[in-house]
Amino acid sequence: SYDLTQPPSVSVSPGQTAIITCSGNKLGNKYASWYQQKPGQSPLLVIYQNDMRPSGIPERFSGSNSGNTATLAISGTQAMDEADYYCQAWDRSSGVFGGGTKLTVL
Amino acid sequence: QVQLQESGPGLVKPSETLSLTCIVSGGSMGSYQWNWIRQAPGKGLEWIGYIYNSGSTYYNPSLRSRVSISEDRSKNEFSLKMNSVTAADTAVFYCARAIPVANTGSFYFDSWGQGTLVIVSP
Repeated sequence: SYDLTQPPSVSVSPGQTAIITCSGNKLGNKYASWYQQKPGQSPLLVIYQNDMRPSGIPERFSGSNSGNTATLAISGTQAMDEADYYCQAWDRSSGVFGGGTKLTVL
Repeated sequence: QVQLQESGPGLVKPSETLSLTCIVSGGSMGSYQWNWIRQAPGKGLEWIGYIYNSGSTYYNPSLRSRVSISEDRSKNEFSLKMNSVTAADTAVFYCARAIPVANTGSFYFDSWGQGTLVIVSP
């Protein structure tokens, strides 16, 4: 089966750039998407097709994908960005999620 | 703006069948992919399966023997059945719409239901 690996946790100071990685075999050959989930809420799409932002998602969210790693970057991180983040990709018609990364803004 | 709403029993006994329905409002089911995703308490997201192109289905290989997804487009809804449930199936179940990325076999989940907690317990 195909696996996506994320760091369990990332910490960032307010105003700094948070980087969350997602690793998978030849992930750069697939499209990655990223989801933000706050406690008690449904996931929210923040990046799709590696680097596209849905309408309403702030410009401080950006994504990239190359080689074996997809990356979500949040520039000028704000307290409201504290959440769990999940990467996701498709492998032979199966949806695969990374294990999730808890972003702490402190 | 499409909205999705899950419904079904919140409590299922071990060995029985879990049945959930997702009602789609604010738009037709069209050429989208309709998915079920679950999240065990305190854990990450797990994709269960989808129905697409008016009937094609695909399931997580780890769950394939126990799940089925169907749709009723006349009611704008799709459903999940999972049999032989155990306590390990206790989770929040989400339905989600996925949009295809043209000619790639890839999709992204742009709309999610609020989720429904299903507890498996005697």
